[in-house]
Amino acid sequence: DSGVTQTPKHLITATGQRVTLRCSPRSGDLSVYWYQQSLDQGLQFLIHYYNGEERAKGNILERFSAQQFPDLHSELNLSSLELGDSALYFCASSPVGTAFYGYTFGSGTRLTVV
Amino acid sequence: GNSVTQMEGPVTLSEEAFLTINCTYTATGYPSLFWYVQYPGEGLQLLLKATKADDKGSNKGFEATYRKETTSFHLEKGSVQVSDSAVYFCALRDTSQGGSEKLVFGKGTKLTVNP
Repeated sequence: DSGVTQTPKHLITATGQRVTLRCSPRSGDLSVYWYQQSLDQGLQFLIHYYNGEERAKGNILERFSAQQFPDLHSELNLSSLELGDSALYFCASSPVGTAFYGYTFGSGTRLTVV
Repeated sequence: GNSVTQMEGPVTLSEEAFLTINCTYTATGYPSLFWYVQYPGEGLQLLLKATKADDKGSNKGFEATYRKETTSFHLEKGSVQVSDSAVYFCALRDTSQGGSEKLVFGKGTKLTVNP
């Protein structure tokens, strides 16, 4: 157990729907990063939050949004889902705003859009 | 932008064989470098890291040396086991986006070790 908790582990939904993925970072970690893992694109950085504030956006679609709450858990919202959004979504956490020592990853949420 | 290139897989070896997975990077300066491992159905786990040139990261028999001259961070293990079967990712710390840092990953190399 890495200490980073992601729920749900699996999610199957229909095109056009909206889902919310949840991440609880490791105790004491202030940064949360979201990544999308697909077979063709590999691991793509989506967004980074530090202590409740958005720090950086990567290849995140406008249909996707995220936030980090005062208790430091984070949610990734995916709307108007398309078949191509099917992927593994990982969150990772680190103690501060730096990636100098790397991150700790959760076990991911597998999203299947049908 | 900053990027990581690692050897295409899959790689199939017999138990006790020597392993090398090549990784090269493109970046401004000398970023921290990492190897992560992903076992089937799991998230990525940090395997080893090096934070400056000439550093050697090591863990569980795996090693990688930060070579600034060749911008490389190749992963090696002298004798692989069946339990090493996994996908290995090389990554670098990207600080090019002001005010934020993130890890940029290679596409991963799948290793299968046969008994």
